[in-house]
Amino acid sequence: AQSVSQHNHHVILSEAASLELGCNYSYGGTVNLFWYVQYPGQHLQLLLKYFSGDPLVKGIKGFEAEFIKSKFSFNLRKPSVQWSDTAEYFCADFNDYKLSFGAGTTVTVRA
Amino acid sequence: DTGVSQNPRHKITKRGQNVTFRCDPISEHNRLYWYRQTLGQGPEFLTYFQNEAQLEKSRLLSDRFSAERPKGSFSTLEIQRTEQGDSAMYLCASSFQGGNGYTFGSGTRLTVV
Repeated sequence: AQSVSQHNHHVILSEAASLELGCNYSYGGTVNLFWYVQYPGQHLQLLLKYFSGDPLVKGIKGFEAEFIKSKFSFNLRKPSVQWSDTAEYFCADFNDYKLSFGAGTTVTVRA
Repeated sequence: DTGVSQNPRHKITKRGQNVTFRCDPISEHNRLYWYRQTLGQGPEFLTYFQNEAQLEKSRLLSDRFSAERPKGSFSTLEIQRTEQGDSAMYLCASSFQGGNGYTFGSGTRLTVV
């Protein structure tokens, strides 16, 4: 069974700084990878997803992620963060019928 | 709003009491999922339905937990004889069969005192 792991538990950075959050997956078949965001008090929202094709995936709100097969990684990036990007970010994979999530990374952006 | 709706938003209960949560999925979606999320963790899969059939249950779902989806529409998650360890956010999501994009509800936060 495939699973994902996230390296960083809490990231603190200033506005305009660049963000990169790590996610590694354990290969178990077809790759279906996702990044979700959860803003304080809100529901989980899909940022982007990768199934196949171009390994550089563009998502909403200026986020992107790169699928690197050789490294089993699917890291999330944003060149310049804003205060409103303060949230919890989850990497997930879809296997058969369900999403399986990593432990999440809390991102705090200081104004 | 045509998203996934969960009620109540918050529930505080005394240990040993029973609680029931409701989820109304997006009407066109035939799959419905329940997840549990505790502080500092990602959502953990509990169970899912395809239409009215409950097709998979996690080992996290002890015999105190039961979920139903009568007529393949809304779903309820009941916890009997609640324990403090049941305190968590309970999330519901729905999707199309074969689709791999979920829509999540805002969750029900359970506090067992």
